[in-house]
Amino acid sequence: NAGVTQTPKFQVLKTGQSMTLQCAQDMNHNSMYWYRQDPGMGLRLIYYSASEGTTDKGEVPNGYNVSRLNKREFSLRLESAAPSQTSVYFCASSEGGAGEKLFFGSGTQLSVL
Amino acid sequence: RKEVEQDPGPFNVPEGATVAFNCTYSNSASQSFFWYRQDCRKEPKLLMSVYSSGNEDGRFTAQLNRASQYISLLIRDSKLSDSATYLCVVGDSSYKLIFGSGTRLLVRP
Repeated sequence: NAGVTQTPKFQVLKTGQSMTLQCAQDMNHNSMYWYRQDPGMGLRLIYYSASEGTTDKGEVPNGYNVSRLNKREFSLRLESAAPSQTSVYFCASSEGGAGEKLFFGSGTQLSVL
Repeated sequence: RKEVEQDPGPFNVPEGATVAFNCTYSNSASQSFFWYRQDCRKEPKLLMSVYSSGNEDGRFTAQLNRASQYISLLIRDSKLSDSATYLCVVGDSSYKLIFGSGTRLLVRP
C-alpha cells in the first residue's frame, strides 16, 4: 500500500529554472495539500485542493502554481525558481477537511542555487 | 505573533521520565487539534487527535483548554524511541491546518 508518493526526493536547480513536483495518492482521498518546511518555521501551506477540480491558495502561494490533474494526482510547479524556495516540500492528502488526518509523502528536498 | 506557538526545546530527559509540551494558538474559532510526530528528515505522522474532554493513548495524554487557547501533550515513562520532534497542529473550519514549528524531544539512556 503506497499511500502518498511524491517525486523527486532530491532536486538542485539554478535560479530561474522551472520544475514540477509530482504527488499521487492511492487512498481515494478527496483533499490534497502542498506544504513547505523551513528550519524554525514549521510546515506552511502553499496550496490545497479540497476536491478534484478545485484549488486554493494557502499561506505562502507566491511563486508556485498547482494542478489537480485528477483525484489521485496533485502537482506543484515552480515557474522560475528562486533561492528563497530552497526548502523541503511535502505533499499530503486527507479524506476531507481540516478535521481529518493528514497522510504525508516522504518529502522533496529542493535546493535553488 | 505566530498562529500556533511551541517551545522549540530541546527537552532532554532520561528514559522513564514524564515530559509535557504545551502549545498555544491564536484563532479562537479553531475547531480541530492534533499532535503529529516527525522523526529527523522524515514526514510528519499523526500521533493523536486532541478532543475537548482530553484523551489518552497508552503513555500519551492530550488535553485542550479552549478558554486559554492551549493544547498540551504529556508523555509518561519516556522511551528512547520517543525521541523526535512533536508538532502541534490546529485547524479552522476550512481545509487549512496550521502547524507549529515543533518541540524537539531527546530521551537519553
